[in-house]
Amino acid sequence: AQSVTQPDIHITVSEGASLELRCNYSYGATPYLFWYVQSPGQGLQLLLKYFSGDTLVQGIKGFEAEFKRSQSSFNLRKPSVHWSDAAEYFCAVGAQVPDSWGKLQFGAGTQVVVTP
Amino acid sequence: NAGVTQTPKFRVLKTGQSMTLLCAQDMNHEYMYWYRQDPGMGLRLIHYSVGEGTTAKGEVPDGYNVSRLKKQNFLLGLESAAPSQTSVYFCASSYSAGGRETQYFGPGTRLLVL
Repeated sequence: AQSVTQPDIHITVSEGASLELRCNYSYGATPYLFWYVQSPGQGLQLLLKYFSGDTLVQGIKGFEAEFKRSQSSFNLRKPSVHWSDAAEYFCAVGAQVPDSWGKLQFGAGTQVVVTP
Repeated sequence: NAGVTQTPKFRVLKTGQSMTLLCAQDMNHEYMYWYRQDPGMGLRLIHYSVGEGTTAKGEVPDGYNVSRLKKQNFLLGLESAAPSQTSVYFCASSYSAGGRETQYFGPGTRLLVL
């Protein structure tokens, strides 16, 4: 079974500074990888996803993530954070076997606080 | 399009009471899911459905039942609520199979069981 670890529960970053959120996964084969964002009181919204090909993936809102198979990581980055990026971010992994399609395993989430 | 909607937004129950949470989607998606979100635990899959009339257990199915009588609706039932079921419940849907599909989430239902 797949699993996901987000080592950082909480990150504080200044507006305009860069942001990197860590995600490590455990899975026997190449997984499907996702980053979702949850604004306060809202549901989750997909930022980006990876399933094959180029290991650097571009998403919405200026985010990108890089899949590193050797490190079992899928870290999320943004060069310059805006106050509206304050939210909780979830990494998720999905298996490529048919009987597990759609059954995502989510990390515990990283809360991002943006200071002026 | 409304996307994924959930009813109600908030509910307080007493231990032992029952209730049904309704999820509706207008995107003609085949797959629908119910998750619960608890602090420090991310989202955990309760039940899911791969099409009208089908349901399957997820990671934490105990104490919940589901039904998918219509393609656009997915109901989550609590027959006898327990304080451990205090949580935020999210419904999601996705287009067909493949594993790589984006899941679209509703705004959530906050449930408090006293």
